[in-house]
Amino acid sequence: LAKTTQPISMDSYEGQEVNITCSHNNIATNDYITWYQQFPSQGPRFIIQGYKTKVTNEVASLFIPADRKSSTLSLPRVSLSDTAVYYCLVGDRGSTLGRLYFGRGTQLTVWP
Amino acid sequence: DSGVTQTPKHLITATGQRVTLRCSPRSGDLSVYWYQQSLDQGLQFLIQYYNGEERAKGNILERFSAQQFPDLHSELNLSSLELGDSALYFCASSPRGLQPSYEQYFGPGTRLTVT
Repeated sequence: LAKTTQPISMDSYEGQEVNITCSHNNIATNDYITWYQQFPSQGPRFIIQGYKTKVTNEVASLFIPADRKSSTLSLPRVSLSDTAVYYCLVGDRGSTLGRLYFGRGTQLTVWP
Repeated sequence: DSGVTQTPKHLITATGQRVTLRCSPRSGDLSVYWYQQSLDQGLQFLIQYYNGEERAKGNILERFSAQQFPDLHSELNLSSLELGDSALYFCASSPRGLQPSYEQYFGPGTRLTVT
């Protein structure tokens, strides 16, 4: 399982774009990068998943450089409700290991 | 709302007791996963079932067991409870096939308090 490294916390203000970077130097060829969001006392919520270049959905964008050793989750124009913990996970989308290692994630706090 | 339901929402019990947590996956999802989240351990994967069969095991204690029934709902049984078992227990389901998936949809959780 590829190990990931994320900042422990980040602060932002409403309306700003937030970029959270995750390092995964040991990513394997078949690994995908997945991001989850978790609010206090709620289950994590799947945000986005990608393999290379850029993926965008209605919630976020995921930028993955050519070497795939890092990835950046981009949240456009954050609001107070985006305050949450964000987890980066890396692994084979069809993994037989069966375990998701969430780590400690990044606590994003959005201020008014 | 992820479509995954869990009951009960809260559970308070005493040490040494046994409890059962219940989960219903999203319609159409065959895989169910169980996780434990505590303040000091973070989110820990416990076990995965696919269409009634155990598929993967994580950090699940021998005092804990799970099963998935023909209607695809799942139950997590925790026995001989200890204070350290107090945590949030999440169930998740995935739309993918046999293999464990990184695209999982989590329920609201059951908060277990052992006194």
